[in-house]
Amino acid sequence: LAKTTQPISMDSYEGQEVNITCSHNNIATNDYITWYQQFPSQGPRFIIQGYKTKVTNEVASLFIPADRKSSTLSLPRVSLSDTAVYYCLVGDRGGNQGGKLIFGQGTELSVKP
Amino acid sequence: NAGVTQTPKFRILKIGQSMTLQCAQDMNHNYMYWYRQDPGMGLKLIYYSVGAGITDKGEVPNGYNVSRSTTEDFPLRLELAAPSQTSVYFCASSYDRDGQPQHFGDGTRLSIL
Repeated sequence: LAKTTQPISMDSYEGQEVNITCSHNNIATNDYITWYQQFPSQGPRFIIQGYKTKVTNEVASLFIPADRKSSTLSLPRVSLSDTAVYYCLVGDRGGNQGGKLIFGQGTELSVKP
Repeated sequence: NAGVTQTPKFRILKIGQSMTLQCAQDMNHNYMYWYRQDPGMGLKLIYYSVGAGITDKGEVPNGYNVSRSTTEDFPLRLELAAPSQTSVYFCASSYDRDGQPQHFGDGTRLSIL
């Protein structure tokens, strides 16, 4: 199973851009990269997915270099409400490996005023 | 839109008691999942179901049972509660396994004393 490595925690201030990098050195050719966001006392929520280069939606951007051994989730101009844990997963288009989501410890983002 | 609904939100059990955690989804999703999340950790899959009448074990099934009599409902049963089962339990669903991200409920916080 492909393993992902992320920083355990990050701090930021309101209005800043936040970049969270995930390492996935043994990503398979067919794997996608999926990011989930989890607020305290809530279940994880899908935020973005990509295969290569750059993907952007209304919430975030995802940058994937050509070798795909890492990826960077970019949150523009964060607010206090972006304080959450962010999980990087690799797998099929559902984010699964072998039919299941493999969650690591995630990155706990703390946004301060 | 209700999505995935879990009940109860909180529960305290005594060692050896039994209970059922309820999960219902109104999105006509075929796949449903149960996860547990221990403090500071990612989610671990307990059981999953690919449709009514079909269930299978995940990573940590011991001490739990499930059933799937309808598309909408996927209850999780604890027969003999143990302190090691103190955790937050999340139910999730997806239309299929490989192509769609999972939708999570808000969790049931269970303490066993």
